[in-house]
Amino acid sequence: DAKTTQPNSMESNEEEPVHLPCNHSTISGTDYIHWYRQLPSQGPEYVIHGLTSNVNNRMASLAIAEDRKSSTLILHRATLRDAAVYYCILMYAGIMLTFGGGTRLMVKP
Amino acid sequence: AAGVIQSPRHLIKEKRETATLKCYPIPRHDTVYWYQQGPGQDPQFLISFYEKMQSDKGSIPDRFSAQQFSDYHSELNMSSLELGDSALYFCASSLAQGLRAGNEQFFGPGTRLTVL
Repeated sequence: DAKTTQPNSMESNEEEPVHLPCNHSTISGTDYIHWYRQLPSQGPEYVIHGLTSNVNNRMASLAIAEDRKSSTLILHRATLRDAAVYYCILMYAGIMLTFGGGTRLMVKP
Repeated sequence: AAGVIQSPRHLIKEKRETATLKCYPIPRHDTVYWYQQGPGQDPQFLISFYEKMQSDKGSIPDRFSAQQFSDYHSELNMSSLELGDSALYFCASSLAQGLRAGNEQFFGPGTRLTVL
């Protein structure tokens, strides 16, 4: 399985943008890049996913490097509710998620 | 909108007992997944079902079994419980649509199993 590398933790101030990086240098051409987050005491929650182009939805934006070896999840205005562990996951035609590491985002008021 | 339902939410068992966890997917979702999350750990995939057939298998112990029923709900059966089985068990569902890798999974609130 292709692996991802994320920082263990990041800190942000409330109302400011947050850029969460993910490296996936061994990504294959058919791997989708998924982001999930897990708030304290809750199940994981889908955030966004993409293949090659940048993607936007109501929760976040996903910026994918041209060579697809890295991506960045962008939260445009962090709120206290965004404090969670964010997982960057690669998926190919498969339906199971492999959670590994993740970035613990702390949001300061 | 309807979400994934899991029952029970909390379960306390003794060692060597059995436990059954239930999962009711979002209506019209045809795929169910089970994950286990130990204390301070990341969720680990156990097993999945697509259209009532096992589709993928992860690190599920032989003491555990699961199935998906005709109404698409799923049950995870756990026997000879051990202390190390204490964990949060999440069920997720998705609409496979031919197993495209772009499908998002919707997670339930989890069942917290404590083995004493």
